[in-house]
Amino acid sequence: GESVGLHLPTLSVQEGDNSIINCAYSNSASDYFIWYKQESGKGPQFIIDIRSNMDKRQGQRVTVLLNKTVKHLSLQIAATQPGDSAVYFCAQGWGSNYQLIWGAGTKLIIKP
Amino acid sequence: NAGVTQTPKFQVLKTGQSMTLQCAQDMNHNSMYWYRQDPGMGLRLIYYSASEGTTDKGEVPNGYNVSRLNKREFSLRLESAAPSQTSVYFCASSENEKLFFGSGTQLSVL
Repeated sequence: GESVGLHLPTLSVQEGDNSIINCAYSNSASDYFIWYKQESGKGPQFIIDIRSNMDKRQGQRVTVLLNKTVKHLSLQIAATQPGDSAVYFCAQGWGSNYQLIWGAGTKLIIKP
Repeated sequence: NAGVTQTPKFQVLKTGQSMTLQCAQDMNHNSMYWYRQDPGMGLRLIYYSASEGTTDKGEVPNGYNVSRLNKREFSLRLESAAPSQTSVYFCASSENEKLFFGSGTQLSVL
């Protein structure tokens, strides 16, 4: 079936280091992929998205890489800060938003 | 700028009770959504409304009803709550692919 999965449920990173959060997907028909950040007690917040015709997109301190050959998506966070502590979700979609498929999430822990 | 506002933030129900979760957005978005989030799982779509006057079922609609009252408001109703509906509920709105979420309602059904 269609799914979006994550390799690691928890990731611990030293403050100041770069973080890489991975996501595997199975539906190759997706138009776009999105990363959301969810802090404790809050709703998910959009971070960055990437269209299926791209392989890299950069934002402020974040980069998303898309490898369609192996159906893999990653989120790289540069110089990780305490405020980056959260659960990160990848989602894939096509057409309207109601067709989003969400991964289970990866919890990012920042070590001082 | 309020964004998406959900009420209540917490609710405890007994099995069989009914309640309505309220959601309002002030971003003039056409599309609105109700998701539920269970521990260790991603968000699952309950119902959505692509525009004012329309609603459609999502992945897990059973036991729920919705009303798109106007462009701003989208409510979720549990007619007869069951323990399996214990979850965190999120309302969202969108324009294009970017979703904006409320802060959630933590619902416990005993």
